[in-house]
This record gives sequence, C-alpha cells and structure tokens, in this order.
Amino acid sequence: DTEVTQTPKHLVMGMTNKKSLKCEQHMGHRAMYWYKQKAKKPPELMFVYSYEKLSINESVPSRFSPECPNSSLLNLHLHALQPEDSALYLCASSYREYQETQYFGPGTRLLVL
Amino acid sequence: AQSVSQHNHHVILSEAASLELGCNYSYGGTVNLFWYVQYPGQHLQLLLKYFSGDPLVKGIKGFEAEFIKSKFSFNLRKPSVQWSDTAEYFCAVNEGFQKLVFGTGTRLLVSP
Repeated sequence: DTEVTQTPKHLVMGMTNKKSLKCEQHMGHRAMYWYKQKAKKPPELMFVYSYEKLSINESVPSRFSPECPNSSLLNLHLHALQPEDSALYLCASSYREYQETQYFGPGTRLLVL
Repeated sequence: AQSVSQHNHHVILSEAASLELGCNYSYGGTVNLFWYVQYPGQHLQLLLKYFSGDPLVKGIKGFEAEFIKSKFSFNLRKPSVQWSDTAEYFCAVNEGFQKLVFGTGTRLLVSP
C-alpha cells in the first residue's frame, strides 16, 4: 500500500482564520514533506520532517507552521494567510529523507479570501 | 544547485501516436531520476524511477524511460498513447543529499 491521505480535500479560509491541514501515512516512512503547487506549476518544497524532526524549511513564511506529532502524521497549521497563498498543498512521504521515492497524497486545495 | 528542464511544455497527439517527452538535468554526479504523472483532478503518481542499473527503465501503463548519462537526459517514451494518457508529466531529480527538484511539467493532450 503506497497511500498518503490528506484532509480536508478543499478549504476556504479568510485572512484572519486559523486552520490546519492533515496528512497521514501508514507505510512506515520516516520522512514526510509539505509541498505547495500553484496552477500549471511544479510542486515546490516547503518543509521536510525526518524522524519527526524538522529537517528542511525552505524559507517559508511563519504564517505556515508545520508539526509532526508522530511518525505517521504531519500537520500544517495556517494563520493569517494571504490570497497569494491559495494553492494545492501536497503531502508526501518516503522511507528515508534522501535518495528515496516520494509518494504523494491527493492534496488540499486551499482558497484564501 | 540542480535544475531540471522539460523542453516540451504542451504536446498534442492523436491516439496511437508515439510519445517522447524530454527531460534534462544539470548535475553530472550520481542522481536519482523520476517521472511523475498528474491526471486531471488527481494526485501525483509515480510512473517510473531510475536509481542505478539498466538505464532503460520500464514503468506502469506501458511507459518507459532511458537514462543517458552523457547527455544528462531521462526521456519518457510510450509507443502508442491512449486518450487516458492525457495528463501533466513531471520529471524530477535528486542528487545525493539534496531535495527533489521538479521540472516545469509537460501537459499532454491526446485526442481520440
């Protein structure tokens, strides 16, 4: 099973709201990733967690706050977002952080009003 | 830093035509190479990957890719496309302890 699940599928939020995106995998993968994908563009890496520790932050604004409560779960907390943050947010996981195949979830389509 | 080029941004083919999508990367060291596909409204799925060994890699749905180290290329091929192959195709590369870098994608439209 190579499934990564993400909830919610769609999210609409105002600029003053606080919301969270959730990602889950049960493949025993120890690396998990958040990507942002704008329309007709490739995914852009935001964060990497390796063994539940933040490994990479690609200079993402602090209004995005990742959290990895355990090896199967990855959250992305959103606060005071801007309309330009509207995008598809993808979660991925791999067995280890480097030189491994990443498996992607279906994404959360976020609209910030 | 690694970069990935996909020269064909849009490709339109008729069913049964042959497909070749180009992918070139910038770094000449040890790399891992991937092709992902994103069908309309669906998530990224792995088509095939190359880590080492036989440079001709076979993937799902009749796709294959050839790694040519001297040309820094990893082109995707399919002998006969179907309407259901309409999708966006991303080449991706990582080298050593570096992040996965995606190309800009190729949007394929197959007309019935």
